[in-house]
Amino acid sequence: EVQLLESGGGLVQPGGSLRLTCAASGISLNANAMSWVRQAPGKGLEWVSGISGSGTRTHYAGSVKGRFTISRDRSKNTVSLQLNSLRVEDTALYFCARDRGALVDTGAVDYWGQGTLVTVSS
Amino acid sequence: QSALTQPASVSGSPGQSITISCTGTSSDVGTFNLVSWYQQHPGKAPKLMIYEDTERPSGVSYRFSGSKSGNTASLTISGLQAEDEADYYCCSYRTGDTYVFGTGTKVTVL
Repeated sequence: EVQLLESGGGLVQPGGSLRLTCAASGISLNANAMSWVRQAPGKGLEWVSGISGSGTRTHYAGSVKGRFTISRDRSKNTVSLQLNSLRVEDTALYFCARDRGALVDTGAVDYWGQGTLVTVSS
Repeated sequence: QSALTQPASVSGSPGQSITISCTGTSSDVGTFNLVSWYQQHPGKAPKLMIYEDTERPSGVSYRFSGSKSGNTASLTISGLQAEDEADYYCCSYRTGDTYVFGTGTKVTVL
């Protein structure tokens, strides 16, 4: 069974940092691009960031560019998202998701984790 | 980065067909055949229902179909069933190697 498991969420003050990690079981993530998608409480989905299968190409939504950094560890079969300079509006459930291809250019992700909750509040 | 536009809600009776629209621009929906659709039940992760405008992943019911005309993509659910009640989101590749989701549509089975 394919499973993606996110971890690292929690409560943090505005301006603080968190590191989210996505681990996979039942599947290798190394051939596919990966994305992080977030969902604020009661709101819709927002694509946040993506990384190619090789890890050499990274992409960000305008709302997080310069504050978030995506990376992957092919030896550990994991993908991470470093969240810096957090704002109240970054509060959301963060999902990791596997892209259908090796690059962030298919427009579709086919496997999703259950998400990890990030709450930014003073 | 503005989201793709979807109706907030669509409803139908069991057995009927409904269609959800997703309007973008020439930077996303109108240029690339890369629109996907997701179903999300409350408290659950989204599930891929359609990719590349019209393709259905293995295991997804034939009652779900996708289409596109110009800058607007559509998801049609035929033979509506109670289990189809959920939120639905479109997503498109956008110029610059980013993805953009739609605003989401709540489907209610009357």
